[in-house]
Amino acid sequence: EAGVAQSPRYKIIEKRQSVAFWCNPISGHATLYWYQQILGQGPKLLIQFQNNGVVDDSQLPKDRFSAERLKGVDSTLKIQPAKLEDSAVYLCASSRRTGPSTDTQYFGPGTRLTVL
Amino acid sequence: SQELEQSPQSLIVQEGKNLTINCTSSKTLYGLYWYKQKYGEGLIFLMMLQKGGEEKSHEKITAKLDEKKQQSSLHITASQPSHAGIYLCGAESDSNYQLIWGAGTKLIIKP
Repeated sequence: EAGVAQSPRYKIIEKRQSVAFWCNPISGHATLYWYQQILGQGPKLLIQFQNNGVVDDSQLPKDRFSAERLKGVDSTLKIQPAKLEDSAVYLCASSRRTGPSTDTQYFGPGTRLTVL
Repeated sequence: SQELEQSPQSLIVQEGKNLTINCTSSKTLYGLYWYKQKYGEGLIFLMMLQKGGEEKSHEKITAKLDEKKQQSSLHITASQPSHAGIYLCGAESDSNYQLIWGAGTKLIIKP
């Protein structure tokens, strides 16, 4: 079974530029998560999708971050414009979860973003 | 809100030695996940514990959830260089089923 795919693996941009990350979850997984992980900290949930609907985006900085999951499969996360404090690893995860319960989340390799 | 504290923050262990990492919650744990992360990369699922007193093992790694369900420990026997990395615990929130995370324990294995 193929794992969660993410691209790019690394990205370096100047502040105020825009950037987009792509994620393809494990086939058949209904729920997709985007996390931001700053060095030395645990992951912080940015947005959770179930199929193509948003379940939780309470911690997504909506003035600069946006995400979509068209057709309930792959997803993109965009930052526009980027700030220095956005430098982090962006993790995508997926799970079989289909309702109000938890299930094991499987993570992609992450995208390491550096904003200069 | 629920918080997870991991200890120690970092650990340097001689290859072949045993070690233990702890994850302590401010509230009762309903589901506790252990993941391993190589620096700057994705998280690899290790184990999930749900019942008080539960213990699971995978190769040389054993995880336990204590009876009172507010602490979990991860024990590595006869450590190897492949065990090096960051170990993260994640717990189900009692309010919205999201995972809350500890800050991680960085493990270095000295040859």
